[in-house]
Amino acid sequence: GENVEQHPSTLSVQEGDSAVIKCTYSDSASNYFPWYKQELGKGPQLIIDIRSNVGEKKDQRIAVTLNKTAKHFSLHITETQPEDSAVYFCAASKAGGTSYGKLTFGQGTILTVHP
Amino acid sequence: KAGVTQTPRYLIKTRGQQVTLSCSPISGHRSVSWYQQTPGQGLQFLFEYFSETQRNKGNFPGRFSGRQFSNSRSEMNVSTLELGDSALYLCASSLTGPGDEKLFFGSGTQLSVL
Repeated sequence: GENVEQHPSTLSVQEGDSAVIKCTYSDSASNYFPWYKQELGKGPQLIIDIRSNVGEKKDQRIAVTLNKTAKHFSLHITETQPEDSAVYFCAASKAGGTSYGKLTFGQGTILTVHP
Repeated sequence: KAGVTQTPRYLIKTRGQQVTLSCSPISGHRSVSWYQQTPGQGLQFLFEYFSETQRNKGNFPGRFSGRQFSNSRSEMNVSTLELGDSALYLCASSLTGPGDEKLFFGSGTQLSVL
């Protein structure tokens, strides 16, 4: 089955710096890659996603890049703010097939933004 | 539009008991998925329901079961609880159809088994 590795497990940055979280996946048939942010006491919140026919996607301070050949995708957060502090999860799935509702998640990155 | 609603937020049970968790999806969403989140294993897929039918399931024992009602609301049941079942149980809903892969999660039910 699919395996998703996420690095680093913890990331500490100063406010205003950029943060990068990286994930690799094992199944070349995976074609949908969402990123989730989870704050304490809440469920994961979808912040951005990318499909395999796109190499990069941006939404304000957040961007995701995908390298299908290397089976690698990354989350980039620019101009970090203290409210960006949370646990971030990457995930992969084979959308459009029979993997209904199934995302394979990375182990998570605890991001801390210091004021 | 209201988000995914899960009840109850917290549950404390003892080993051997059974538990039922409830999930109301976003209005218009007909697919409901369940996940288990633990510090050791992370987020793991339990099963997915659409139109009252289980379409997909993960690698969990038969003690974990679910169902979906005609209004898309879903419940999951865990029988003969074990200490290792202590976890945050998350429900997610989505639209269905090509391009509708986005999962929207509720805040979860925190289950503690003593």
